[in-house]
Amino acid sequence: QKEVEQNSGPLSVPEGAIASLNCTYSDRGSQSFFWYRQYSGKSPELIMFIYSNGDKEDGRFTAQLNKASQYVSLLIRDSQPSDSATYLCAARGSARQLTFGSGTQLTVLP
Amino acid sequence: EPEVTQTPSHQVTQMGQEVILRCVPISNHLYFYWYRQILGQKVEFLVSFYNNEISEKSEIFDDQFSVERPDGSNFTLKIRSTKLEDSAMYFCATARSSRTGEEKLFFGSGTQLSVL
Repeated sequence: QKEVEQNSGPLSVPEGAIASLNCTYSDRGSQSFFWYRQYSGKSPELIMFIYSNGDKEDGRFTAQLNKASQYVSLLIRDSQPSDSATYLCAARGSARQLTFGSGTQLTVLP
Repeated sequence: EPEVTQTPSHQVTQMGQEVILRCVPISNHLYFYWYRQILGQKVEFLVSFYNNEISEKSEIFDDQFSVERPDGSNFTLKIRSTKLEDSAMYFCATARSSRTGEEKLFFGSGTQLSVL
């Protein structure tokens, strides 16, 4: 059974702080990992993907992957109230479909 | 920016009725998917479709479900005889790249299906 686990939160951070979101996965065959943002009642929106060990930065977002530990994280720097949403971690193995975690609800307090 | 279009945005139906959910993929995308999300739960994979045939399907995608691309543009999900537990938000998603691992999946805005 392929599982992607996330802390459901809620996670609250003050505006301007760093938000750290974590994700673990069970399938060692997983090859690439995705972070989606989902506002309530809306569809998932792709923020970042990563498939190599290490860090990948895109603006205020940094994704980190450690395949040995089966761990993926997303850091959001200078958090803004508009970042308040549920963040979904997803993993893809040899098949193309994504396995999603249950999401972490983030609230950025003004 | 191109986007995946889904219709209708909301669908209410009686248990046992057939529903068809429609999706217009981004024009140069080759891979098509249906996912669903029951309220408060995870996004779940249903089926993937490439080159006019199903590539993968999950345990959820039983004989009551079918997909097709009838006219080369629309991509549809049919539920033959809806059940109460089919109530969910159904997302169509499409992707362009053929290189596994670098493929970015873009989601439509979803169809909220309510089975009464």
